Amino acid sequence: SSELTQDPAVSVALGQTVRITCQGDSLRTCYASWYRQRPGQAPLLVIYGKNNRPSGTPDRFSGSSSGNTASLTITGAQAEDEADYYCYSRDSSANQWVFGGGTRLTVL
Amino acid sequence: QVQLVQSGAEVKQPGASVKVSCKTSGYTFTSHWIHWVRQAPGQGLEWMGIINANDGGTVYAQKVQGRVTVTRDTSTSTVHMELSSLRSDDTAVYYCARDVSGVMVWWLDPWGQGTLVTVSS
Repeated sequence: SSELTQDPAVSVALGQTVRITCQGDSLRTCYASWYRQRPGQAPLLVIYGKNNRPSGTPDRFSGSSSGNTASLTITGAQAEDEADYYCYSRDSSANQWVFGGGTRLTVL
Repeated sequence: QVQLVQSGAEVKQPGASVKVSCKTSGYTFTSHWIHWVRQAPGQGLEWMGIINANDGGTVYAQKVQGRVTVTRDTSTSTVHMELSSLRSDDTAVYYCARDVSGVMVWWLDPWGQGTLVTVSS
């Protein structure tokens, strides 16, 4: 299957830790990458691979993977982290690439 | 720095075609594939297709297969995405993004700024 499943919405109190998950069969054989999208902006890469941050991504962002689930964790969430987050990977068997449905993160 | 700059917004009638361009700079054009992704209003990201900038090989999403054509011009380091037989549900922001890959991981970085395509009579 080429589907990646994310919770539609998650909330976190300012300064607390939040985990956003992504499930799919393709994640058993490849890692996910994660994108943050603020309103009216293009998506921006925040995490790729096992746990790699591009330059510019704060170190409060981390990634992990187990079985068919990839996770994005924000440790000490800030107001500017409020955004939509998407996971992404390749379905090698179908030679297609796929996004998760997205998770809207609200920082309270 | 690596940049992807897209063409401007388009308004098309149902049944027409639209061609969106993505001009790249700051890296060796033929060393990376380019993806196309779209986002309907208020919806999530949808992968549409990919082109190998080196040999022009393409892979398309099943949903748009038969209506989408992605091409590249190596002389201008530009990729084009043409979508035909437009319908109202093709109204979306269309993004191009550079593919980067590692061992069992693929990521998109950077992205173009997006091109709004509106299909309306």
